[in-house]
Amino acid sequence: AQKVTQAQTEISVVEKEDVTLDCVYETRDTTYYLFWYKQPPSGELVFLIRRNSFDEQNEISGRYSWNFQKSTSSFNFTITASQVVDSAVYFCALSVFQGAQKLVFGQGTRLTINP
Amino acid sequence: DSGVTQTPKHLITATGQRVTLRCSPRSGDLSVYWYQQSLDQGLQFLIQYYNGEERAKGNILERFSAQQFPDLHSELNLSSLELGDSALYFCASSARTGSNEQFFGPGTRLTVL
Repeated sequence: AQKVTQAQTEISVVEKEDVTLDCVYETRDTTYYLFWYKQPPSGELVFLIRRNSFDEQNEISGRYSWNFQKSTSSFNFTITASQVVDSAVYFCALSVFQGAQKLVFGQGTRLTINP
Repeated sequence: DSGVTQTPKHLITATGQRVTLRCSPRSGDLSVYWYQQSLDQGLQFLIQYYNGEERAKGNILERFSAQQFPDLHSELNLSSLELGDSALYFCASSARTGSNEQFFGPGTRLTVL
């Protein structure tokens, strides 16, 4: 069975601070995908990134960066110079390659950026 | 805008009733997934269809059923509704089975009174 743990339930920072959201996953599969989704107050789920288990290169997209470490089964997400618009609930998710490609979500981290 | 549409946006109904939620996937996407988001259970996978056929089932109650039609839109039917069924129901689509990213619709918020 697969499991995703986001230990941080809520994080609150002041604008322009850097913030890291933690994600730890469990799976016995060797081929899998990891995702991050953003859920703003309006409620929709916005896709941010997908990584496969064979690609451990870190990725940067503007102020967003992701650190994937198989050795610790972690896929952490960092927002640099946070902005109020980054306030949302962020979900980490896991999908395995074989069988049902359902997404298994973590419980989410509510991020609040204060002006 | 993900390209996935869901109707209605909000639904308020009473216990014991039956409702139908509708989803239209992105153009060309063959796979449709349904998820339920509730305060106590978080985001949970319910069921997946691929090109009209059921592909996988998750924690879907027997009172719930779904189908995918030839035009690839999907419907999620919820019957004998209980208070605990109040949740946000998401539909997602992807181009094929496999771990392409899933694109989510805006959700249908169901309130059972």
